[in-house]
Amino acid sequence: GENVEQHPSTLSVQEGDSAVIKCTYSDSASNYFPWYKQELGKGPQLIIDIRSNVGEKKDQRIAVTLNKTAKHFSLHITETQPEDSAVYFCAARPFSGGYNKLIFGAGTRLAVHP
Amino acid sequence: EAQVTQNPRYLITVTGKKLTVTCSQNMNHEYMSWYRQDPGLGLRQIYYSMNVEVTDKGDVPEGYKVSRKEKRNFPLILESPSPNQTSLYFCASSPGRLNEKLFFGSGTQLSVL
Repeated sequence: GENVEQHPSTLSVQEGDSAVIKCTYSDSASNYFPWYKQELGKGPQLIIDIRSNVGEKKDQRIAVTLNKTAKHFSLHITETQPEDSAVYFCAARPFSGGYNKLIFGAGTRLAVHP
Repeated sequence: EAQVTQNPRYLITVTGKKLTVTCSQNMNHEYMSWYRQDPGLGLRQIYYSMNVEVTDKGDVPEGYKVSRKEKRNFPLILESPSPNQTSLYFCASSPGRLNEKLFFGSGTQLSVL
């Protein structure tokens, strides 16, 4: 079946450094790739998403890149701040089931130290 | 305030005792879905609904039921809960027909003893 692998599972950086989280998906026909941020005790919140016809998208300090040939996509956070500390989930939407599923990665716990 | 509301936030029950977790959204969204979150497994879809009276199975539907009689409500029903259903559950809704730009509720932590 479809799956999404996410690495690393934990990431620790100093405030001001950059953080990169990588995901690999199995279904080459996947067409939508969102990233969610989950703060402690809350539900996930969408921070950025990208479609398969776009290679890169930026929103202030956050960017996502997509490499369809290699079937992987990455989240880049620049100038990290303590409030960026959270669990981040990537997801991919595979073709099977008529694009009605979202397959999530296992999550990355990011800690930003002052 | 636009939101997805789940109740209860915490629930402890015993094996076999039927329970319902409610979910309501006030954004007039057509698409709603349920996920469970387990350590090391991320979020897995249980059921989804593309509109009133239209529901379909996700990746892990066994042991769960849903209904969508009104646009705003999408309850999750466990007819006979078992310990392997102990998990953190999230309801989500989306402004489109598909699962883009999901709005999640705050979660329901369920423990089945």
